[in-house]
Amino acid sequence: AQTVTQSQPEMSVQEAETVTLSCTYDTSESDYYLFWYKQPPSRQMILVIRQEAYKQQNATENRFSVNFQKAAKSFSLKISDSQLGDAAMYFCAYSGPKGYGNKLVFGAGTILRVKS
Amino acid sequence: DAGVIQSPRHEVTEMGQEVTLRCKPISGHNSLFWYRQTMMRGLELLIYFNNNVPIDDSGMPEDRFSAKMPNASFSTLKIQPSEPRDSAVYFCASSFVLRSGANVLTFGAGSRLTVL
Repeated sequence: AQTVTQSQPEMSVQEAETVTLSCTYDTSESDYYLFWYKQPPSRQMILVIRQEAYKQQNATENRFSVNFQKAAKSFSLKISDSQLGDAAMYFCAYSGPKGYGNKLVFGAGTILRVKS
Repeated sequence: DAGVIQSPRHEVTEMGQEVTLRCKPISGHNSLFWYRQTMMRGLELLIYFNNNVPIDDSGMPEDRFSAKMPNASFSTLKIQPSEPRDSAVYFCASSFVLRSGANVLTFGAGSRLTVL
């Protein structure tokens, strides 16, 4: 079974600085998809960024980017120019091949605190 | 689009009572997922449907839990009888598949259940 591991229960970053959240996963598939979701105190789950495993280029969404290392099965999230609104729980998630109807397996989450 | 709509947002009930959680997925989405979130166990997939058909219910904790999707625009998760250990936030999510094959989940706001 696929598993997702987030080894950092909590991280802190100073406003305007950069922070990287770690994620590793285990799978025997070669084709899959990876995601980062954000859950602010409102508890709404919000998609931050996604990565298709067949793409070598790392995904980027404004201040958010990933470092996808397929051989190492690593998928870290970098947040640049951190803002107070980035404070939230961040979940890494894995979805298997043939995306139709595939379930998401989530990591345990990392709480990100942003200091002003 | 109004997004995934869940009701109720909060439910407080007594042990032994029946609880019904409701979900209206985004129109056009083919898959629907029920997740449960607790501090101890994180985000767990309970069950998911493709085209209204249950595909994987292996995450349903026990026979007290049941889920239905009578049509493409409505799903329920029922707990009967409820127990204090069922207290959690229950999320419904619906999804569509991108051209890239990625299955993108959109979550509802969640239903917070407290069983006394």
